[in-house]
Amino acid sequence: DTAVSQTPKYLVTQMGNDKSIKCEQNLGHDTMYWYKQDSKKFLKIMFSYNNKELIINETVPNRFSPKSPDKAHLNLHINSLELGDSAVYFCASSTGPPMPYGYTFGSGTRLTVV
Amino acid sequence: QQQVKQSPQSLIVQKGGISIINCAYENTAFDYFPWYQQFPGKGPALLIAIRPDVSEKKEGRFTISFNKSAKQFSLHIMDSQPGDSATYFCAAIGKGGTSYGKLTFGQGTILTVHP
Repeated sequence: DTAVSQTPKYLVTQMGNDKSIKCEQNLGHDTMYWYKQDSKKFLKIMFSYNNKELIINETVPNRFSPKSPDKAHLNLHINSLELGDSAVYFCASSTGPPMPYGYTFGSGTRLTVV
Repeated sequence: QQQVKQSPQSLIVQKGGISIINCAYENTAFDYFPWYQQFPGKGPALLIAIRPDVSEKKEGRFTISFNKSAKQFSLHIMDSQPGDSATYFCAAIGKGGTSYGKLTFGQGTILTVHP
């Protein structure tokens, strides 16, 4: 039933490791996003895809690479994890152009780098 | 550069009171203004949203007031309840193109409603 689901919910890993977060939406939306919420709860967009095409790529280190195998899935791979990558990562989806209606967030993945 | 400024950072209200959270924006290209509610361990959930051609929108106990000339908007929660205790975020979305769907968030307001 979950509209936007992401796995895992918690991720604890050592510096230098590579990890992936997966996201799936069953809302039939065309656009998917990754947001990062820092320790002060500030939310900032990282990437967006519309129908598998990269639309937004904010100033994010190259170690972060999103992949969208189809419009219902958007994964985030992170190479060479650093302490500063610790945060909560949210996947979201919305309708496609002209207006992003039905914007829905997943419940987040809390990444802790030790 | 913080394009959406939100205040206060935290707010304590008694049950039955009115909670008011304010936001101001700079970018005149923004044309959709949603409010999100976030409970601990959960993702932000859309509460209510407004377009700039409307000065007020009400849904149940939640009302958005919008002042286009001042570039300000606010959320009013009437008859606040302990279950409303959460973090509230204002946000703004610009017109499409390369920023399609990009939500620019305020810093968040932690609301506590005492019984």
